[in-house]
Amino acid sequence: DQQVKQNSPSLSVQEGRISILNCDYTNSMFDYFLWYKKYPAEGPTFLISISSIKDKNEDGRFTVFLNKSAKHLSLHIVPSQPGDSAVYFCAASNAYNQGGKLIFGQGTELSVKP
Amino acid sequence: DTGVSQDPRHKITKRGQNVTFRCDPISEHNRLYWYRQTLGQGPEFLTYFQNEAQLEKSRLLSDRFSAERPKGSFSTLEIQRTEQGDSAMYLCASSLLQGLTFGSGTRLTVV
Repeated sequence: DQQVKQNSPSLSVQEGRISILNCDYTNSMFDYFLWYKKYPAEGPTFLISISSIKDKNEDGRFTVFLNKSAKHLSLHIVPSQPGDSAVYFCAASNAYNQGGKLIFGQGTELSVKP
Repeated sequence: DTGVSQDPRHKITKRGQNVTFRCDPISEHNRLYWYRQTLGQGPEFLTYFQNEAQLEKSRLLSDRFSAERPKGSFSTLEIQRTEQGDSAMYLCASSLLQGLTFGSGTRLTVV
């Protein structure tokens, strides 16, 4: 059973425009959510996180929105830059695991065109 | 400290052989995790250690897999009698509190 789903395998965006990556989850026990970015031949790197007590967290060009009732979160990148081209993974955990045992989505490959 | 280090970066082995991977976490991190990633999928949790104690193992971790962290520092992941289905990227990560810092992974190819 796929508890965290990223239904778009790929996304192409023009430089300077907004990139919106989506993620859905099924387990209502999840209360901590993270986005990781992965370049080829490298491990995932942490990008931004959000706790379930919030509905928005912002860090520079990156904003994560959480809709608990819909069990949906999204990552907005504004403005998108060519260096943002990578695979983005959504991940979830519950407080018991303190963010270590993460359940990942399948990933969305973002391509930002100059 | 240069982050989480994994060795080797690539390993090609024949089916039936045993392989061992090493992970050196960030020195002050007491938690160490192993994940596996196959093509087109996100990383999947395999096991984790708090200091030298292995606290949880996924059902993905068959009897052919064993992980150790003998002194609470580096960790090894051994796969015995490798199968083609074991071909994947094996990722190690460490943490102190929230969030994980991943290494670059070991790509295993079983031929």
